[in-house]
Amino acid sequence: AQSVTQLGSHVSVSEGALVLLRCNYSSSVPPYLFWYVQYPNQGLQLLLKYTTGATLVKGINGFEAEFKKSETSFHLTKPSAHMSDAAEYFCAVFFSGSARQLTFGSGTQLTVLP
Amino acid sequence: NAGVTQTPKFRILKIGQSMTLQCAQDMNHNYMYWYRQDPGMGLKLIYYSVGAGITDKGEVPNGYNVSRSTTEDFPLRLELAAPSQTSVYFCASSDNSRSGNTIYFGEGSWLTVV
Repeated sequence: AQSVTQLGSHVSVSEGALVLLRCNYSSSVPPYLFWYVQYPNQGLQLLLKYTTGATLVKGINGFEAEFKKSETSFHLTKPSAHMSDAAEYFCAVFFSGSARQLTFGSGTQLTVLP
Repeated sequence: NAGVTQTPKFRILKIGQSMTLQCAQDMNHNYMYWYRQDPGMGLKLIYYSVGAGITDKGEVPNGYNVSRSTTEDFPLRLELAAPSQTSVYFCASSDNSRSGNTIYFGEGSWLTVV
């Protein structure tokens, strides 16, 4: 069955440190991949997405993610965390033939420590 | 620049009551979706629609109904509310069936059933 797994429901980093949020998927065909961010009491906002082409994708707010087919991963990174990055992050995957639905991971809550 | 608009933002229902969550988008998107978000569970698809007059069940449709009489509106109906329906509900839309297109989310509706 096709699935999305986010490793670590809570991640804490110090301000200025590297942010690494992990996402792995299970699929027999290459999917389309998305990262969304959710700030408290708000909806989800697209950070970045991978469809085809270059496997390193740059998004908003200094985030980027790399699609690694061999590892079935799409980890989200940011070189230097800022206090404003504190939020919940969702990896989402579109699987071909899934009736145009996104499958979401369970989310990772990022805390940035001063 | 409205995007996807949901009402109400907050609602408390008693067990057995019914209500409708309203959703409207002004982007002329064909596809619309209803998700629910429970803590630590990510987003689960309730229903989706690929165009006016066409709806289909998602992963967790029980206890809900939808209709799509116009391109703009996609209301979600809760019949006989139960405590298990306490959740945050998100309406979303996208502009066509191409999997690379972004899904845009409303800001959510917080529902408590007591």
